[in-house]
Amino acid sequence: EPEVTQTPSHQVTQMGQEVILRCVPISNHLYFYWYRQILGQKVEFLVSFYNNEISEKSEIFDDQFSVERPDGSNFTLKIRSTKLEDSAMYFCASTLKGGQPQHFGDGTRLSIL
Amino acid sequence: AQSVTQLDSQVPVFEEAPVELRCNYSSSVSVYLFWYVQYPNQGLQLLLKYLSGSTLVESINGFEAEFNKSQTSFHLRKPSVHISDTAEYFCAVRGNEKLTFGTGTRLTIIP
Repeated sequence: EPEVTQTPSHQVTQMGQEVILRCVPISNHLYFYWYRQILGQKVEFLVSFYNNEISEKSEIFDDQFSVERPDGSNFTLKIRSTKLEDSAMYFCASTLKGGQPQHFGDGTRLSIL
Repeated sequence: AQSVTQLDSQVPVFEEAPVELRCNYSSSVSVYLFWYVQYPNQGLQLLLKYLSGSTLVESINGFEAEFNKSQTSFHLRKPSVHISDTAEYFCAVRGNEKLTFGTGTRLTIIP
């Protein structure tokens, strides 16, 4: 069964540095998402992306965050200047059609020092 | 706006006993409901979904959930749990684009 893959599985970064989290969605999917889960808290929506543009974003997704689909297979989340509170598990998800179940990757654990 | 409430943060259950994990939701748009499971050190896996049609939905590993519109609930049940069911279970509602998750219920199976 096709999977969403995320790299790296664990990223450690100094505060203030830029970080890029990478995702390869399922190949024929058209809708892409990023979520995060701070340790011990619930999974929170960050952003959705369709047709090469952001379709919805949460209040968490401020100017420090950006997403990109640089080619036909990758979907990236960039945090420009990381803060301690950005430490979390970041999940990428994709789906073929709106309303259909989203398929999640195994996540990238981001640790900001 | 959407929200999901999972009333139980932790549920310990003896092996082979039944279990119910509760989920209540609110949504101002059409409702699509999901249960995701997160095994230790893994990502979120779709367990089952309600999109339309029959209000009782089942998964391949014995879980079922019933959509109850009048009570705005989507409780997850299993008649007999196994050690391998130990995980965190998240209820989620989708209105427009995004999934809104509950806080999760940690299911612990006692041998």
